[in-house]
Amino acid sequence: DAGITQSPRHKVTETGTPVTLRCHQTENHRYMYWYRQDPGHGLRLIHYSYGVKDTDKGEVSDGYSVSRSKTEDFLLTLESATSSQTSVYFCAISDGGRSYEQYFGPGTRLTVT
Amino acid sequence: QKEVEQNSGPLSVPEGAIASLNCTYSDRVSQSFFWYRQYSGKSPELIMSIYSNGDKEDGRFTAQLNKASQYVSLLIRDSQPSDSATYLCAVSRGGSARQLTFGSGTQLTVLP
Repeated sequence: DAGITQSPRHKVTETGTPVTLRCHQTENHRYMYWYRQDPGHGLRLIHYSYGVKDTDKGEVSDGYSVSRSKTEDFLLTLESATSSQTSVYFCAISDGGRSYEQYFGPGTRLTVT
Repeated sequence: QKEVEQNSGPLSVPEGAIASLNCTYSDRVSQSFFWYRQYSGKSPELIMSIYSNGDKEDGRFTAQLNKASQYVSLLIRDSQPSDSATYLCAVSRGGSARQLTFGSGTQLTVLP
């Protein structure tokens, strides 16, 4: 998985609780992304980062926030989890070179009950 | 209209046959095109990238791009049961954001 880890790999939480997912990379890549994957919707971009402390919104950012205080870590926070945020969350990285290739982490399966 | 559309699938082919996966995109300024393979319960894995019109071959995989028709395809020759997976098409319009837009995927089954 191109030197990318995600934690936790599985989580069950209750509606209304805060949840933080972590993405850690050892590739020193500049760009990091958070996606969610749901049946029938494919992969949808939540937030992305183009450097330390530089982040921006993606297609489905409502209800999510992110932070990147170090090159290697990108955190995704659900401030108050809802059942609609039950999904598989993938982190991806890109080196920001000529290509736009993205490489994915193993994913986190989140269930909000 | 979805930005990136793929064959609805599922697609089944016999072992040894050629599997053809298709993808169309709506944004004419798109510059970079990718195919990812995703096994059930696993993360997407990049298998091909293509940036210029024409064909690009890598082993049993050939990606074809036609920007005028806004069409990109993936051919898998000599299909093997291990190729059974969902194939995702992704498109980038370039720019500083370097965002990818993904299709919903086509599920391929290669029958022994």
